[in-house]
This record gives sequence, C-alpha cells and structure tokens, in this order.
Amino acid sequence: NAGVTQTPKFQVLKTGQSMTLQCAQDMNHNSMYWYRQDPGMGLRLIYYSASEGTTDKGEVPNGYNVSRLNKREFSLRLESAAPSQTSVYFCASTGGQGAYEQYFGPGTRLTVT
Amino acid sequence: GQQVMQIPQYQHVQEGEDFTTYCNSSTTLSNIQWYKQRPGGHPVFLIQLVKSGEVKKQKRLTFQFGEAKKNSSLHITATQTTDVGTYFCAARSNDYKLSFGAGTTVTVRA
Repeated sequence: NAGVTQTPKFQVLKTGQSMTLQCAQDMNHNSMYWYRQDPGMGLRLIYYSASEGTTDKGEVPNGYNVSRLNKREFSLRLESAAPSQTSVYFCASTGGQGAYEQYFGPGTRLTVT
Repeated sequence: GQQVMQIPQYQHVQEGEDFTTYCNSSTTLSNIQWYKQRPGGHPVFLIQLVKSGEVKKQKRLTFQFGEAKKNSSLHITATQTTDVGTYFCAARSNDYKLSFGAGTTVTVRA
C-alpha cells in the first residue's frame, strides 16, 4: 500500500495563477482532509470531506476549493494564487467517524511569488 | 473548535537528558492525540488518550492525560538524536475534525 500520495511535491506559482493539488489514498478511508502548515502555526484545516460526496470548510477555507472526486481522491484548487498561500500543504485521511488516527501524505511545498 | 496550546514552542535538549512538552486547553477534551513530524517530513500518529488520568508509555515516551481532561503531556527520557522533530498535540472538535496545537520543536545537542 502506498498510503496517502500527493502531487506535485514542489510548485512555484506567480500571483494570480491557478493550480490543483492532487491527493489519493489506497486505504479505503472514508474521510479526507487538506491542511496547510506555516512556521509556528501548526496544522490548520482548510477543507475536509467526511465521506464521499460531502465537503465542509475548515478553519482557513478562503481562496481554496476542493473536490472529492471519488472515495480515493480529494483535490485542492487555488483559483488565483496569492503570496499568503505560500505554505506546505498536507493531505490526510482517516477511516471515518469513530476512527481516530489520521494518515498524512508527504506534502506539497508551494511558493507563490 | 477546540483550541489547544502547546508549550514550549522550542526545546533544546542535551542528548541523554529528559524533557517534557505540554498541551493545554481551556475546555474539557474528549480525547487528545499526539503526532511527531521529523524535519522535512509529514506528521505521524503516535498515540491517543481518552480517559481521565490516563498514562501510556511507548519505550522512552510517556504520555499523560490530565485528571480534568484539559491538559496532556509528553515526557521523553534519555533523549536521543532520533527524537529530533516537532511534536503536535491534537484535540477532536467533532466526529471528523482535529484541532492541532502549534507544536514543540525539539533539537538535540550531541
């Protein structure tokens, strides 16, 4: 099992450009998450999908959209990138309600200039 | 959601020494989780504590949940270079979401 995979690993964007971060898990998990990590701020939840077909906002959803494409895949889109979105983005998954351990992908390091 | 505060933000430890990092909340927590992130890596789940006063050990790591379920601690004995990284606590805010603390970043002097 690959666990949680993310693409790309690194990305540099110019202000105003758009891009989609891809995430996939092969653990048959119901719930998936997108976090951003900034120095001294811990992990902040952007969006999550409790189960296939549902998505909900987290703490910091502004400037992002998500799609739960199927049970395996959960993508994060930046429509018009801003320098404040420079961060490391992690995707995570968990078995769902009552399951507690979150499994994280390797992360995408995004720089917006 | 639940807010958890971690102290200290940084911990510089001499190899072989012990240290403790703390996680505090102003509200009662249903449970607390701990994760470790190595430099350049991703967070990895360590443990979950559920019961008031619960203590769990993993080799040199001891995790404790406070009696009032408002705080938790991670104590590492005889620190090794493999302990380098950032340790996060996380509290469940609903059936699906976790709220993470800012983390304690540990460096070790050989």
